[in-house]
Amino acid sequence: GAGVSQTPSNKVTEKGKYVELRCDPISGHTALYWYRQSLGQGPEFLIYFQGTGAADDSGLPNDRFFAVRPEGSVSTLKIQRTERGDSAVYLCASSLTRDREGNGYTFGSGTRLTVV
Amino acid sequence: DAKTTQPPSMDCAEGRAANLPCNHSTISGNEYVYWYRQIHSQGPQYIIHGLKNNETNEMASLIITEDRKSSTLILPHATLRDTAVYYCIVRPHQGAGSYQLTFGKGTKLSVIP
Repeated sequence: GAGVSQTPSNKVTEKGKYVELRCDPISGHTALYWYRQSLGQGPEFLIYFQGTGAADDSGLPNDRFFAVRPEGSVSTLKIQRTERGDSAVYLCASSLTRDREGNGYTFGSGTRLTVV
Repeated sequence: DAKTTQPPSMDCAEGRAANLPCNHSTISGNEYVYWYRQIHSQGPQYIIHGLKNNETNEMASLIITEDRKSSTLILPHATLRDTAVYYCIVRPHQGAGSYQLTFGKGTKLSVIP
């Protein structure tokens, strides 16, 4: 497709469950980013992939959060033992290489995760 | 933490210019000023960026003060579709943090018919 696709668009899960959120970047974009946006706040950086490797995962809040990008395209954000505080919109973005000027970042519409 | 300060909200009449201010008094010499916007239920969208010169594109104009401690995003003829949260971000093009966008809370612009 022409844009960044994130699935599902909405996810409701029970506290303690495991969830996976998927991101399909724009074809050919080697850089991929995950952000998290809590209600009323701006997005916060979680992790950045260059190709298959996580170049910077410093934004992941704790070891319950993990992300993979095994073939350098689709990425999955995985959250174990979900907590109510994990409820947020999870945004994915992609860009060509590292896109030094940052105007090539394309964001998806996000996955709204609700932990009940 | 975001290095920018923006008013939490602004109103603008449809068809008029919207002028959104941003303070970034601690900006470093290698940091650019970026503007993104986020329409309800969508991801952020790039608008414009600049270093020290004023910039204009098909969406907006960016005016940066000579001391670079503040800037203004101008939407010349606001439409209802411009209603969104506008984020001002400072970001280096190289080195640590160059790929991260550090968002603050932004300015919620409401365009009024």
